[in-house]
Amino acid sequence: ETGVTQTPRHLVMGMTNKKSLKCEQHLGHNAMYWYKQSAKKPLELMFVYSLEERVENNSVPSRFSPECPNSSHLFLHLHTLQPEDSALYLCASSHERYNEQFFGPGTRLTVL
Amino acid sequence: QKEVEQNSGPLSVPEGAIASLNCTYSDRGSQSFFWYRQYSGKSPELIMFIYSNGDKEDGRFTAQLNKASQYVSLLIRDSQPSDSATYLCAVISGGSYIPTFGRGTSLIVHP
Repeated sequence: ETGVTQTPRHLVMGMTNKKSLKCEQHLGHNAMYWYKQSAKKPLELMFVYSLEERVENNSVPSRFSPECPNSSHLFLHLHTLQPEDSALYLCASSHERYNEQFFGPGTRLTVL
Repeated sequence: QKEVEQNSGPLSVPEGAIASLNCTYSDRGSQSFFWYRQYSGKSPELIMFIYSNGDKEDGRFTAQLNKASQYVSLLIRDSQPSDSATYLCAVISGGSYIPTFGRGTSLIVHP
């Protein structure tokens, strides 16, 4: 778990707030991912960065904005969220050639 | 639409028994298969991966892959209460590095 870190671990925000989630990987991987996990639903892939190329799930609302300044850091910028965005947000990384993903501990987000 | 199907369970087995978890997938071009364990309130943890038809064993865990029938399974021998968790199946198609996850199967191992 310490190979991929996420901050904060818990976040409560109002619908008008702007906040950012941070992820850092110490594994030398070259691909990073944001997932959303809601109760009773499968993991939903939101964004992928690989070798500085971004791949996104077209169903993700524009109120979620990713940023990947380098291969070790990944951010998810949040603005004007809705209560239904409350979920566990997971960051993961992988070496593109080997595919196995390693997850961070997640950020539990509550939108009031 | 690539789909990965798992029985949501819960699957309940007594301590010491073999737990069998199954996963089917729709994309015949799938080449990489993974099993993750997720404890309640925690993030998924990779426990097994398999690329070739047949069995792959690692300690008490055995992954079985049958590409012709498009299923992958996970057997847990000598199940322990600490194995109680949700098990997620993930599949990656050839030429991709982006997985499709199933909804997960909840496993309960009772003493």
